Amino acid sequence: QVQLQESGPGLVRPSQTLSLTCTVSGGFSSSASYYWTWIRQPAGRGLEWIGRVYLTGSTDYNPSLRSRVSISIDTSKNQFSLRLTSVTAADTAVYYCARDHGRRYDPSTRAYYYDGLDVWGQGTTVTVSS
Amino acid sequence: EVVLTQSPGTLSLSPGERATLSCRASQSISTNYLAWYQQRPGQGPRLLMYGTSTRATGIPERFSGSGSGTDFTLTISRLEPDDFAVYYCQQYDTSPLTFGGGTKVETK
Repeated sequence: QVQLQESGPGLVRPSQTLSLTCTVSGGFSSSASYYWTWIRQPAGRGLEWIGRVYLTGSTDYNPSLRSRVSISIDTSKNQFSLRLTSVTAADTAVYYCARDHGRRYDPSTRAYYYDGLDVWGQGTTVTVSS
Repeated sequence: EVVLTQSPGTLSLSPGERATLSCRASQSISTNYLAWYQQRPGQGPRLLMYGTSTRATGIPERFSGSGSGTDFTLTISRLEPDDFAVYYCQQYDTSPLTFGGGTKVETK
């Protein structure tokens, strides 16, 4: 049973860099075909996809954050990480890491399917304030 | 990006009643790429449904999903106390992955 746990500073100063780590208990080996994702949720608001990383290190980012975000993976430590630069108060949110099935191809139907974000961490609150 | 609009914003119902939640996309999306999540207070989201109508592991049969094109629906046939929560639809037909704004199902 894969479990995810976010960790990192709860307070970041404006203009500084937010850095969070997600530890994957159970490791990546049993989840070889998944993507590893960061999502955030400002207080009282909806969910925003930040981006994801694959085991190879390839990444996809939300265009709205692409200039400031970097997601990396360290398979030896069973961790993946988020860096968000030049933060402002608008980056204050609960940050979640999650496992993303990505698209899978079914040869019997010759179609692609998306099986959702099936494992989530509990979330960690990050406040941007001086 | 694909904008998902959920309605109503809040649904006030009693246990045992039927809940119907709507998710409308700004452009047509494949049924294969539409998912629903439940979020209880103080918790992270939980995957309920993917591929529009396939229940995730452990999700009870009272939850069902339907729809196509731009209009999708999550139905809870008979509300139980644990079902009062916020529900989000999500698509990954087109990058970036996006979520709807959520529907809160509250106790009447």
